[in-house]
Amino acid sequence: EVVMTQSPATVSVSPGERASLSCRASQSVSSNLAWFQQKPGQAPRLLIYGASTRATGIPARFSGSGSGTEFTLTISSLQSEDFAVYSCHQYNNWPRTFGQGTKVEIK
Amino acid sequence: EVQLVESGGGLVQPGGALRLSCVASGFTFSNSWMHWVRQAPGKGLVWVSRVNSDGSSTNYADSVKGRLTISRDNAKNTLYLQMNSLRDEDTAVYYCVREGRESGPGPLDYWGQGTLVTVSS
Repeated sequence: EVVMTQSPATVSVSPGERASLSCRASQSVSSNLAWFQQKPGQAPRLLIYGASTRATGIPARFSGSGSGTEFTLTISSLQSEDFAVYSCHQYNNWPRTFGQGTKVEIK
Repeated sequence: EVQLVESGGGLVQPGGALRLSCVASGFTFSNSWMHWVRQAPGKGLVWVSRVNSDGSSTNYADSVKGRLTISRDNAKNTLYLQMNSLRDEDTAVYYCVREGRESGPGPLDYWGQGTLVTVSS
């Protein structure tokens, strides 16, 4: 199975600052990589798919990059509503797999 | 508006069984691949299973193979997960999820609110 490894586990950021989250796949997943945002008590929300395409209604401050095995989610200027857990997910191979998540917390 | 509404969760003893349901609306259910994803308390997301649009093809995570069975009834716009021989480690919130598939693999684009399954004696 493709192991997805996210780093860091937690990142502390001040509102208005930039955050970059990393996701590495144990083998190539092409561009079949998605990012999700999850807040406590809520279902995950799709942010990015195809490694770099924003989902419907997602603000432009969220951007994704990468292909193959290395991927990055960047939040250009953190807003209060962006503090949450972010998970990457590969949908290139079976079984589908998720990273363990990166928590973005207020500094 | 796309809606996925799960039901059927609850408390069950180890070795017991439960059937989860997910009623879909707001999209053409019979054209969509559907998945179950679970999340244990305080843990990350784990993909469980998937069924294709007509129910003829399925995939499972190794941890649930032979115990959990995914199925669908397109006439009722409903997805199911039959859970047998439940273990403590199956305790989780179970999400019903649509795959936004076009010509190839697609992202999990719409999620239900989840239903909690607790396996405990």
